Amino acid sequence: DGGITQSPKYLFRKEGQNVTLSCEQNLNHDAMYWYRQDPGQGLRLIYYSQIVNDFQKGDIAEGYSVSREKKESFPLTVTSAQKNPTAFYLCASSTGTGGDEQYFGPGTRLTVT
Amino acid sequence: GQSLEQPSEVTAVEGAIVQINCTYQTSGFYGLSWYQQHDGGAPTFLSYNALDGLEETGRFSSFLSRSDSYGYLLLQELQMKDSASYFCAVRESYGQNFVFGPGTRLSVLP
Repeated sequence: DGGITQSPKYLFRKEGQNVTLSCEQNLNHDAMYWYRQDPGQGLRLIYYSQIVNDFQKGDIAEGYSVSREKKESFPLTVTSAQKNPTAFYLCASSTGTGGDEQYFGPGTRLTVT
Repeated sequence: GQSLEQPSEVTAVEGAIVQINCTYQTSGFYGLSWYQQHDGGAPTFLSYNALDGLEETGRFSSFLSRSDSYGYLLLQELQMKDSASYFCAVRESYGQNFVFGPGTRLSVLP
């Protein structure tokens, strides 16, 4: 079955540590995205990538980094520079051409104490 | 940049019809999308409007008016399972930078 997987579902870290969230898709989609969602809020775009080896900052990229070495994978690193990292992180992908339909992974809930 | 506005909450009873509005401010865009998200879950795509008018998909319909910078999602024959948050989203014209609205929490009462 095609889809997007994110791991782990829950992640706990101590303040000051970097942490990498995994996102893999087997939909053969060119475009991939990372969003952050805080309780009761909408989704805010962190980074997006339209093709391999290329990515663009979204509205809240500070304190985050990404890589896109393979079409299937778009990992997100939450660095110690991110002031309020505790949030629900969602990865998504799309064909990148018209229609705007994004397919979302199940999300990773990160708690930093 | 872009900004989107939606009502924060809407309540309706089973079997009723509800409309969730979305207004946006942008210099250009590629269309308006709608997503549904149940508590603790991932958003799922509902509909997309690139041109003015009404798009119908089963019990859900979506409308866009570019001249008014306005769209809405219409849910008919409401069911308890429709209780969720609904987000409108636009893509900026020059790339894949999506902007989501703050979301509308729909509560369907028996």
